[in-house]
Amino acid sequence: DADVTQTPRNRITKTGKRIMLECSQTKGHDRMYWYRQDPGLGLRLIYYSFDVKDINKGEISDGYSVSRQAQAKFSLSLESAIPNQTALYFCATSDLHSGAGHTFGSGTRLTVV
Amino acid sequence: LAKTTQPISMDSYEGQEVNITCSHNNIATNDYITWYQQFPSQGPRFIIQGYKTKVTNEVASLFIPADRKSSTLSLPRVSLSDTAVYYCLVGDIHRGSYIPTFGRGTSLIVHP
Repeated sequence: DADVTQTPRNRITKTGKRIMLECSQTKGHDRMYWYRQDPGLGLRLIYYSFDVKDINKGEISDGYSVSRQAQAKFSLSLESAIPNQTALYFCATSDLHSGAGHTFGSGTRLTVV
Repeated sequence: LAKTTQPISMDSYEGQEVNITCSHNNIATNDYITWYQQFPSQGPRFIIQGYKTKVTNEVASLFIPADRKSSTLSLPRVSLSDTAVYYCLVGDIHRGSYIPTFGRGTSLIVHP
């Protein structure tokens, strides 16, 4: 099994729909992150969590929300999806304060039509 | 938030050495510098990590000057399979918390 598992791998949804992307990890790491990747823009941080009770906004949190259900689970929600949220979403974990040592999932490709 | 700066793209040929430099002026005292490699439709993969001076592993070397405001990833004798996007990662202190900041990535194309 992968260390960081993202579900679903691919999803097409309609504008205005609520959608949840899920991430689970077996690394035992406290820190979890959600990133978004768009062509030519690299990875941008959406939300991050340093432990179950600690949730922080990243660079581009508008339009997104997260839930840290347990140390191993961190989900990302789009309350009302819009087409410009079409992107590749990555979940990652780490256990160092510097943010180094990220382990990434395989990504979720989301298309909003 | 700290910002990192990398060249957008680089071209090389098989067998050559490739050096990719990342600038990170606001790096914190306790931060490490980490480089990742990403192939299309895959998550980034760890390459190498360092704090200062030079670090070498089986795939790359990382050079960090004394002021730590930049770092250079060196790939010896690249092959076609090294064609990928390379990201530089440092942490930044923001409201007392460390936030990982990715560079925008350097797209390396290795030609035959």
